[in-house]
Amino acid sequence: SQTIHQWPATLVQPVGSPLSLECTVEGTSNPNLYWYRQAAGRGLQLLFYSVGIGQISSEVPQNLSASRPQDRQFILSSKKLLLSDSGFYLCAWSGGQRAEAFFGQGTRLTVV
Amino acid sequence: AQKITQTQPGMFVQEKEAVTLDCTYDTSDPSYGLFWYKQPSSGEMIFLIYQGSYDQQNATEGRYSLNFQKARKSANLVISASQLGDSAMYFCAMREGFNKFYFGSGTKLNVKP
Repeated sequence: SQTIHQWPATLVQPVGSPLSLECTVEGTSNPNLYWYRQAAGRGLQLLFYSVGIGQISSEVPQNLSASRPQDRQFILSSKKLLLSDSGFYLCAWSGGQRAEAFFGQGTRLTVV
Repeated sequence: AQKITQTQPGMFVQEKEAVTLDCTYDTSDPSYGLFWYKQPSSGEMIFLIYQGSYDQQNATEGRYSLNFQKARKSANLVISASQLGDSAMYFCAMREGFNKFYFGSGTKLNVKP
């Protein structure tokens, strides 16, 4: 069966520090991968999606970047965090025979 | 323009009663999918139900049903016989083509005993 791992679960980082969030998927190949951000009490904003290794599409201009160095690995990064980068970050995958997207447990990022 | 619109920020329902959560969508793609997810306070996203744009019948999954009205571009979620454990945020989502999933702003459902 397929599983998705996302870490860390919580993170507190100072303004101006770098960020690296990692997401890996097991049990499937060539998944579509997604990074979403959710502000407190709000909906999910699509940040990046990827249909293959090295293929990244950005939905909104921002302080973040994404990379897909391996088929089932998706990384969200920032060189210098801003206060506005705080939020709940969710990684997801889709593909195979199922229509829906499957989500990781999320990372709660607080920039102080 | 918003791809997914959920106009009910919060809803209350009495335990054991049915409740409808509204969702409208906007797309010019003839092939799309509509989804509902539940997000409890833990933050995990739980898939509930799916409706394809070419599906003729409304989707049902246990106590969940999706009222799909294509001409009106609406995809309302109906929860029958509400339970206390149904209290959560509910998100409507749309997949355009095969790749992008867009989510609405969510509806917070509170089930009263």
